[in-house]
Amino acid sequence: NAGVTQTPKFRVLKTGQSMTLLCAQDMNHEYMYWYRQDPGMGLRLIHYSVGEGTTAKGEVPDGYNVSRLKKQNFLLGLESAAPSQTSVYFCASRRDRVSIEQFFGPGTRLTVL
Amino acid sequence: AQSVTQPDIHITVSEGASLELRCNYSYGATPYLFWYVQSPGQGLQLLLKYFSGDTLVQGIKGFEAEFKRSQSSFNLRKPSVHWSDAAEYFCAVGAIRGGADGLTFGKGTHLIIQP
Repeated sequence: NAGVTQTPKFRVLKTGQSMTLLCAQDMNHEYMYWYRQDPGMGLRLIHYSVGEGTTAKGEVPDGYNVSRLKKQNFLLGLESAAPSQTSVYFCASRRDRVSIEQFFGPGTRLTVL
Repeated sequence: AQSVTQPDIHITVSEGASLELRCNYSYGATPYLFWYVQSPGQGLQLLLKYFSGDTLVQGIKGFEAEFKRSQSSFNLRKPSVHWSDAAEYFCAVGAIRGGADGLTFGKGTHLIIQP
């Protein structure tokens, strides 16, 4: 099993450009999450999903959109990138409501110039 | 709202010395507590977790943590550190309040190992 994978690993954007980050998990987990990690801030929750076709906002959702069209994939979109979105993005999955533990992907380092 | 405080931003320890990283949490019920480690340029690896039962939890790489409800703490310890332990350490708390909550992370402690 690959666990949780993220594509791409690195990306550089110009202000105003758009992009989509892909998260995939092969553990048949119900819940999936997107976090961002900034120096001195720890990880903060952007959006999450409790199942296929559902999404919800987390702590810092502004400027991002998400979609969960397939259970194994969770997409994070930036419609018009801003320098403030320069960060490392982590995806995580969780088996179900009862199981609290989350499994993390390797991260995507995004730089917005 | 739940919160996690890691009071030490940086800690420097000599190789072979003991280590304790502090974590304090705020949550109204029994928390689910985690310690993750992040090596430079890497993702997060789970070191250990506490859900219930024995308050002293053993993890991977020789780490352990003790849950103290009276102090709202979940400190991470290791009796003898190795140079490979140099990394960023995150404490996190989770709950089943709505069924789907993400984890709340502390801001991390950067561990430096002196030779």
